Amino acid sequence: DAKTTQPPSMDCAEGRAANLPCNHSTISGNEYVYWYRQIHSQGPQYIIHGLKNNETNEMASLIITEDRKSSTLILPHATLRDTAVYYCIVSSKNGAGSYQLTFGKGTKLSVIP
Amino acid sequence: NAGVMQNPRHLVRRRGQEARLRCSPMKGHSHVYWYRQLPEEGLKFMVYLQKENIIDESGMPKERFSAEFPKEGPSILRIQQVVRGDSAAYFCASSPLARTSGKTDTQYFGPGTRLTVL
Repeated sequence: DAKTTQPPSMDCAEGRAANLPCNHSTISGNEYVYWYRQIHSQGPQYIIHGLKNNETNEMASLIITEDRKSSTLILPHATLRDTAVYYCIVSSKNGAGSYQLTFGKGTKLSVIP
Repeated sequence: NAGVMQNPRHLVRRRGQEARLRCSPMKGHSHVYWYRQLPEEGLKFMVYLQKENIIDESGMPKERFSAEFPKEGPSILRIQQVVRGDSAAYFCASSPLARTSGKTDTQYFGPGTRLTVL
C-alpha cells in the first residue's frame, strides 16, 4: 500500500489560507490522492481528489508535485468551521483485488479566531 | 439528493446481545462500504458490497461479524454476541460506480452509528 505522511497538527488564523502537506513517496502511477476531513465525530467528508494535475473545487485546491511524491491541500480562506482532522489518502489495491480507503491519523487543523 | 443515511445513530447493547446497523446509500449508488473507527483512531475498512454480493471482506473480523446488501432495502452490518471491544463508531459509505483498476470511485460517508457495549 502506498502510505502517506502528514503532520499531526497545524494551526491557521481565521481568514488566512491553510496549506496542509502530505507525503506519498511510494505512490504508483495509477493511484489517486484523495482528501477527506472529519469534523468532531461526524462522518468523513469528501473534499477533493487528483491524479497528476492540480485540481480545484468549491471547497479547496489540490496541488500535486510533478513527481507525485507529495501534495498540498489548500483551503483558501479558513473559517472556524474548517477545524477538523484532514486525511490524505492514496487509493490502493489490496490482496482481494479491490480498492479501499486507508485512513491514517491525519492532520488536526485548528483554525484560530 | 439525500446523502448516505445510517440508523440508528446511537446503539447501546449489553455483552452477548446482537447489534444491527443499517445503511441506505445515496440515490443511484449501488456500492456500499463499511468502516469502523475505534476511539482516538482512524477509520479501518471492513467490507465492500454491491447489491446481493460481498466483493471484499478482507477487513471483517472472522467471527461474529457479517454484512449484507440485499436487492431491496438497506445494507446491514450485523454483530453477534457483542463484546466491549466492539464499542466504536461504524461508518457506511457509498459510491456510484464499480471500482476499476487504478481508481477508487469517490466514496460519500454517512453520519455513522455509535455502538456502545455495556
